[in-house]
Amino acid sequence: NAGVTQTPKFQVLKTGQSMTLQCAQDMNHNSMYWYRQDPGMGLRLIYYSASEGTTDKGEVPNGYNVSRLNKREFSLRLESAAPSQTSVYFCASSEGVTGANVLTFGAGSRLTVL
Amino acid sequence: AQSVSQHNHHVILSEAASLELGCNYSYGGTVNLFWYVQYPGQHLQLLLKYFSGDPLVKGIKGFEAEFIKSKFSFNLRKPSVQWSDTAEYFCAVNGSGNTGKLIFGQGTTLQVKP
Repeated sequence: NAGVTQTPKFQVLKTGQSMTLQCAQDMNHNSMYWYRQDPGMGLRLIYYSASEGTTDKGEVPNGYNVSRLNKREFSLRLESAAPSQTSVYFCASSEGVTGANVLTFGAGSRLTVL
Repeated sequence: AQSVSQHNHHVILSEAASLELGCNYSYGGTVNLFWYVQYPGQHLQLLLKYFSGDPLVKGIKGFEAEFIKSKFSFNLRKPSVQWSDTAEYFCAVNGSGNTGKLIFGQGTTLQVKP
């Protein structure tokens, strides 16, 4: 099984451009998450989807939108990219919706905004 | 709001040295606690977790962690590190009953010298 798959792995954008990061999981997990990782700041939650059909804001949602397309897929969109959004983005999924669940992470997408 | 603090940002050890990485969290209720590891060029992997029961939990590759409720701590330990333990280590917490969203610490980079 592939687990959690993210595309693209690398992307360079100019300020103001838009793009969508794709994420798919094949583990039949209910919950999915988008995090960003910045040096010295750990991982911060952008948005999450506790179950198909629901999405909610995390710690740093400004400048992002998400879509839970179906149970497998959860995309993250940058409508107008800014240099502050240069980061490594990780998608994750978990089986359940309670706290006692382990997150499985994708390999990450490195985004640079010039 | 929940928060997680990792005391050491960068640790350098020689092989066979003992390791202890500090983690403190801020949350008033029942918590679930995790340590994740990110090896160079790889995605985050679960090292160990605590949900309930024995406060001393063992994980992969000889790692263990102890949950001390009175100190709001979940420190990671390993008696003898190896060069292959060079990685970034993240402590994470969520409140029991929440969705599976995790709050991460800033991360600790461990460099093991052969």
